[in-house]
Amino acid sequence: GAVVSQHPSWVICKSGTSVKIECRSLDFQATTMFWYRQFPKQSLMLMATSNEGSKATYEQGVEKDKFLINHASLTLSTLTVTSAHPEDSSFYICSARVPQPSGRRYGYTFGSGTRLTVV
Amino acid sequence: AQKITQTQPGMFVQEKEAVTLDCTYDTSDPSYGLFWYKQPSSGEMIFLIYQGSYDQQNATEGRYSLNFQKARKSANLVISASQLGDSAMYFCAMTSSGSARQLTFGSGTQLTVLP
Repeated sequence: GAVVSQHPSWVICKSGTSVKIECRSLDFQATTMFWYRQFPKQSLMLMATSNEGSKATYEQGVEKDKFLINHASLTLSTLTVTSAHPEDSSFYICSARVPQPSGRRYGYTFGSGTRLTVV
Repeated sequence: AQKITQTQPGMFVQEKEAVTLDCTYDTSDPSYGLFWYKQPSSGEMIFLIYQGSYDQQNATEGRYSLNFQKARKSANLVISASQLGDSAMYFCAMTSSGSARQLTFGSGTQLTVLP
């Protein structure tokens, strides 16, 4: 259970175009979704936190107008990279917080990631 | 603010041997959770093990165990009987004290299992 489906797995786009990445929770309701960015051989850096029905909270240094996050339903969150440039090329991965059966803590399930290349 | 430190950028281990991956953390929150994830070259994040700050016993999940030393603020991952398929990047992570409870990740350790 608790699967997050992320699409596309990889995308190549031209500089100046926009790219949308989708994350869908398949068997649970994801009230909170986290979006991370990862450069090769580096750690996951949190970009923003989105809650269903409200504006996303962006981490310091992340451009809100460039990385548009929409969490319009409990099963879908999207990240749109607007006017993409080569420096936006990276691995983007989403993660949803999932209540655990014990009720004592949350688990986290991740999408499979999207490798974006801007040429 | 929370911080996770992994001081081993790369580790090598012989197949069937045990290996310990180090993780230290810093937080002022008395309640926190510690996670270990495996990330193979495909990029997917695979959950391995969890330790809660109030858990009395060290967590174990199959070949994975967590050596939790609260006073030293360390949460080392021990992998027993290493397999070739264990070669991957390993991340230690911690839940935040904020309402969103987002994960903060360490820099990772690249583990290579040698045949």
